[in-house]
Amino acid sequence: GAGVSQTPSNKVTEKGKYVELRCDPISGHTALYWYRQSLGQGPEFLIYFQGTGAADDSGLPNDRFFAVRPEGSVSTLKIQRTERGDSAVYLCASSIHGGGAYEQYFGPGTRLTVT
Amino acid sequence: GQQLNQSPQSMFIQEGEDVSMNCTSSSIFNTWLWYKQDPGEGPVLLIALYKAGELTSNGRLTAQFGITRKDSFLNISASIPSDVGIYFCAGRSGQFYFGTGTSLTVIP
Repeated sequence: GAGVSQTPSNKVTEKGKYVELRCDPISGHTALYWYRQSLGQGPEFLIYFQGTGAADDSGLPNDRFFAVRPEGSVSTLKIQRTERGDSAVYLCASSIHGGGAYEQYFGPGTRLTVT
Repeated sequence: GQQLNQSPQSMFIQEGEDVSMNCTSSSIFNTWLWYKQDPGEGPVLLIALYKAGELTSNGRLTAQFGITRKDSFLNISASIPSDVGIYFCAGRSGQFYFGTGTSLTVIP
């Protein structure tokens, strides 16, 4: 079946601009995660959705970052007033989260470059 | 955020050799996941572990959930060139925390 998809694959934006990154999870997966990965590092947790609601947003670095999942499927990560330090690969993962299963399946990521 | 300590940081091995890597934390985790990531791609799930002491295999890969619940181990037997990549562990305590990665190079 189809895996997690993310668009765009690459995004270059100027400092101060607004960007949206999209994630399409695996069909039927109720849990959706956003991570940020800097070069040479492991993924860093940003936010986790269970259905439509954000169950844990403790990883969002500041109020410039916001994410939504209005219908419990597709999610959008929004970054306002981008800064050069926001440059990273943004990864999305989905999980069934049923019966104690927590396996997360990742998309290919969106590489964000802020110039 | 918290990151788990993985070792070794990098490995250079001959094709056919076995590989061992581990992941340690100061916190207790309820789930351990192991991933492999190739350049420019997202991490691919290799093995999931749910119980302390659990030993799980996936082909040539074997992973163990440490009995203290603060560590996990991944072994790869008879390495082949396509095993090249970066291996990450991830532990769950509420959210998931990822390790710093082990870069594996296999020399044919």
